[in-house]
This record gives sequence, C-alpha cells and structure tokens, in this order.
Amino acid sequence: EAGVAQSPRYKIIEKRQSVAFWCNPISGHATLYWYQQILGQGPKLLIQFQNNGVVDDSQLPKDRFSAERLKGVDSTLKIQPAKLEDSAVYLCASSPERYTGTGELFFGEGSRLTVL
Amino acid sequence: QQPVQSPQAVILREGEDAVINCSSSKALYSVHWYRQKHGEAPVFLMILLKGGEQKGHEKISASFNEKKQQSSLYLTASQLSYSGTYFCGTDDYNTDKLIFGTGTRLQVFP
Repeated sequence: EAGVAQSPRYKIIEKRQSVAFWCNPISGHATLYWYQQILGQGPKLLIQFQNNGVVDDSQLPKDRFSAERLKGVDSTLKIQPAKLEDSAVYLCASSPERYTGTGELFFGEGSRLTVL
Repeated sequence: QQPVQSPQAVILREGEDAVINCSSSKALYSVHWYRQKHGEAPVFLMILLKGGEQKGHEKISASFNEKKQQSSLYLTASQLSYSGTYFCGTDDYNTDKLIFGTGTRLQVFP
C-alpha cells in the first residue's frame, strides 16, 4: 500500500515569497491533516479536513496560510507571503477514521521549508 | 492545551528500561504515542482509549490513567532502534483534534 506522498521535500525561499506544498493521502482515507513542526518541537495542527470539508483550522494563520482539498483527495497548503518564522517541516497525515481519537495517523515524509 | 511530557531526554544503554510520561490539563478521550527519528516522519506506536481499549504494536506497552489525565509509555529491554523522539498526542472530548506533546528524546547506546 502506497504511503502519504508529499512534495517538494525541500524548499528554500526568501521572506515575502510564496510557496505551495502538495499532499496525496493514502487511498480511501477520508481525514487529512496538515501539521507544522518547528525544529525541536512537536507537530502543531494547522488544518484538518474530513473529505473536502474543513473540520478545524483554528490554528491556521489565515492572513498568510491557505489550504484546500479538492474532491476530497489531494491537498495543497500555501504560504503567501512567507515569514522567517515559517521555517519548519510541514507534515501531511491521513487517517481512515472519521474521528481523530480512534485511529492511527499515517504521516508523509514532510516538506522542509527554509525562509531566508 | 499542549500536553506536557517528562522527562525531556533519556539516555540508556541497550537492555535498560525507560518510562515516558504524558500529562494533560483536559479530560481525555484518547492518548496516542508516536516515535520520530531524525529527519523522518512520526511513526505510530499505540492508541489508548477511554475505557481501556488499546490499539498498537505488541511489543509496546503503555497505560492511560483517565482520572489523572496521564499516560505512560514503557520501553523495556531497549534496543538501539528505539532511539528517537517520542511524542504523545492527546484528543479531548470537545475538539476531536490530536494535539502533540513537547516530546521526549531517547538515545540508546551499545
């Protein structure tokens, strides 16, 4: 079974530029998550989708971050304009479970963003 | 509210045991445990649900004290492959969100 695919793996940009990350979850997984992981910290939830609807985006800085999940499958996370503090690994995860508490999250390898 | 893990770091020799603790200020529905090796994605270890149900790998053991809102992960007879950072994730009744803890870095030496 193919895992969660993410691209690009690495991205270096200058502040105020824009960047987009793509995620393809495991086939059939209804729930998709984007987490931000700053070096040395635990993953922080940015947004959670159930199929193509947003379940929670309370921690998403909406003035610069946006995310969508088209047709309930692939998802993109965009940052525009980027700030230095956005340097982090962006992890996408998916789950076959409707409720987060009951199922395993399958993580992709992440997209490492460096903002100069 | 981010759960707090203790200790922050553990150094072990192969074969030694360790306990990692996770504490939340909220009433929990479930606690998840993940291990992350440097530069890699977090990997699922175990889920502990309110009421006593557990799902996970047979070689991993953990406990969930619902009243104290705490969980502990028990690593026995540690192997080199156990090295990494361990994160607990907590899910409370109100949000259905998995909030990860502060992390515990474990290093196992020969």
